[in-house]
Amino acid sequence: DIQLTQSPSFLSASVGDRVTITCRASQGISSYLAWYQQKPGKAPKLLIYAASTLQSGVPSRFSGSGSGTEFTLTISSLQPEDFATYYCQQLNSYPTWTFGQGTKVEIK
Amino acid sequence: EVQLVESGGGLVQPGGSLRLSCAASGFTFSSYDMHWVRQATGKGLEWVSAIGTAGDTYYPGSVKGRFTISRENAKNSLYLQMNSLRAGDTAVYYCARFRFAFDIWGQGTMVTVSS
Repeated sequence: DIQLTQSPSFLSASVGDRVTITCRASQGISSYLAWYQQKPGKAPKLLIYAASTLQSGVPSRFSGSGSGTEFTLTISSLQPEDFATYYCQQLNSYPTWTFGQGTKVEIK
Repeated sequence: EVQLVESGGGLVQPGGSLRLSCAASGFTFSSYDMHWVRQATGKGLEWVSAIGTAGDTYYPGSVKGRFTISRENAKNSLYLQMNSLRAGDTAVYYCARFRFAFDIWGQGTMVTVSS
């Protein structure tokens, strides 16, 4: 099974900061990676798929990059509504897809 | 409006059974692969099952043989039959539509396995 490891697990940042979250796969997954945002008590929301394609309606301050085993999610200027937990998901091993353990972004 | 609404969660004793439902609206349900994902309180996301448009089904080892995913396209509905439930199955269960990734999610339904 493909394992995903996110880092950091927790980060504290201020409004306006540039934030980067990394997701590493235990084996190559090409660009078959998605990123989700989840706020407390809510369902996850798709932000990015195919490693770098922004889902419709998602603000352009979110971007994704990477391929193979290393991927990043970047928030260019953190906004108050961005404080949440972020998950990566590999979509390479159809259809048994796994998630990373999550990265919680909190207010500094 | 594209929407998924889960129902059927509740409290069940260990070893018991429960059937979850997911009602889809606003899109052509039969054209999409559908999934169930769960999340224990304070924990991460765990993929639970998938069903393709042709009715092919898939499960991780943790639920294989105990859970059964099914769909009824005429009713725009997805189901998850859960048998031999364990305390470790306690979680919020979400249904999700697959389009490049899980692009639409329901609000979730809570399943608690406890005596």
